[in-house]
Amino acid sequence: GAVVSQHPSWVICKSGTSVKIECRSLDFQATTMFWYRQFPKQSLMLMATSNEGSKATYEQGVEKDKFLINHASLTLSTLTVTSAHPEDSSFYICSARVRAGEGYTFGSGTRLTVV
Amino acid sequence: GQQVMQIPQYQHVQEGEDFTTYCNSSTTLSNIQWYKQRPGGHPVFLIQLVKSGEVKKQKRLTFQFGEAKKNSSLHITATQTTDVGTYFCAGGSWDNQGGKLIFGQGTELSVKP
Repeated sequence: GAVVSQHPSWVICKSGTSVKIECRSLDFQATTMFWYRQFPKQSLMLMATSNEGSKATYEQGVEKDKFLINHASLTLSTLTVTSAHPEDSSFYICSARVRAGEGYTFGSGTRLTVV
Repeated sequence: GQQVMQIPQYQHVQEGEDFTTYCNSSTTLSNIQWYKQRPGGHPVFLIQLVKSGEVKKQKRLTFQFGEAKKNSSLHITATQTTDVGTYFCAGGSWDNQGGKLIFGQGTELSVKP
């Protein structure tokens, strides 16, 4: 089946530094990748929609200058958390689908802790 | 904006008991999908419902999509410890918005052996 590989699985960084999270579609081309944030015991909150070769679409309330998304190829989308602060600590997860009308495959997620 | 409400938030059952989680959307959906997230894991796609009144089964799991395409349910018969996890419904809107899904809050199922 379709696989989305997400790295790193977890990262601890100091306040003020930036962290890059990668999501790769291993056996299919993902023209669109969705990025979510999930707090413990809560639902998935859509942050942005990443489209290959164009600017990402951010959800209301999500700072685009803080959460930089790049989708430079059909198999790779990245999320960079810039100038991270403790309140950015969360579980970040990406998803994509092989074709329209099908379910989504999620990456394994990245647990970010900012200290 | 579009909202998808899911209840209950938590459900604790004895192994062998049945379990149901319900989803309600504020707007008519084009489709609804169900996902399972094990503790510490990521969501895994279970099924997609598209047609009004549709019912689909996967072994002990039964999924329903309401006639008005605004609500859905997942029923598990005779739960097992392997059913433990959080079940999310996710609705797709008619304007597609690039395939964006709106997730419900999830129902966390715990099963006591």
